[in-house]
Amino acid sequence: QSVLTQPPSVSGAPGQRVTISCTGGSSNIGAGYDVQWYRQLPGTAPKLLIYGNTNRPSGVPDRFSGSKSDTSASLAITGLQADDEADYYCQSYDRSLSWVFGGGTTLTVL
Amino acid sequence: QVQLHESGPGLVRPSQTLSLTCTVSGVSISSGSYYWSWIRQSAEKGLEWIGRIYTSGSTTYNPSLKSRVTISTDTSKNQFSLKLTSVTAADTAVYYCARAILGALDCWGLGTLVTVSS
Repeated sequence: QSVLTQPPSVSGAPGQRVTISCTGGSSNIGAGYDVQWYRQLPGTAPKLLIYGNTNRPSGVPDRFSGSKSDTSASLAITGLQADDEADYYCQSYDRSLSWVFGGGTTLTVL
Repeated sequence: QVQLHESGPGLVRPSQTLSLTCTVSGVSISSGSYYWSWIRQSAEKGLEWIGRIYTSGSTTYNPSLKSRVTISTDTSKNQFSLKLTSVTAADTAVYYCARAILGALDCWGLGTLVTVSS
């Protein structure tokens, strides 16, 4: 049972927009701590996609965007492409547990 | 270009100590405002943060693992290490080392699979 809750899977057709939610609580996201998002392809390490709730590292396309509100955060992907298929994880800080991750969401491009 | 690389035994016997080393290139682990971290991933628990060491040498550990974990650095070799004692099958996972800044893990190693089995 992860501290941050994500849907196990989402899907969308090429070109569509999908969102992945990350729900926390008053000791983590709701306490004002930043949320990060990572993408993981099979057999590889996670890669930072969004940091500080809304910021993209250099090289990450602007098709990826992050937002945060109250005790939750969201990752939006527009113009869905086949190679966006991956597992996506949110991560934040929790007062009692330090750094915590979501359980991950598998994105399928139909 | 910053690179991290994990190394260590792929098989550890139950009740023994798991020891891994992360070799860092492209940046000094003793400079900057970075946290050098260990994370593991298993099918059962997903991604789990193990602990981190700051450039100053201060450490923070996951409370659920704190009694068994030690993270240390060897600045002469630009490496940091993980020791996890009294391992069980539940510690079987892919172990990653990573660099963090302001809470974001921006650079990861490739990961190494550690299996706990007799």
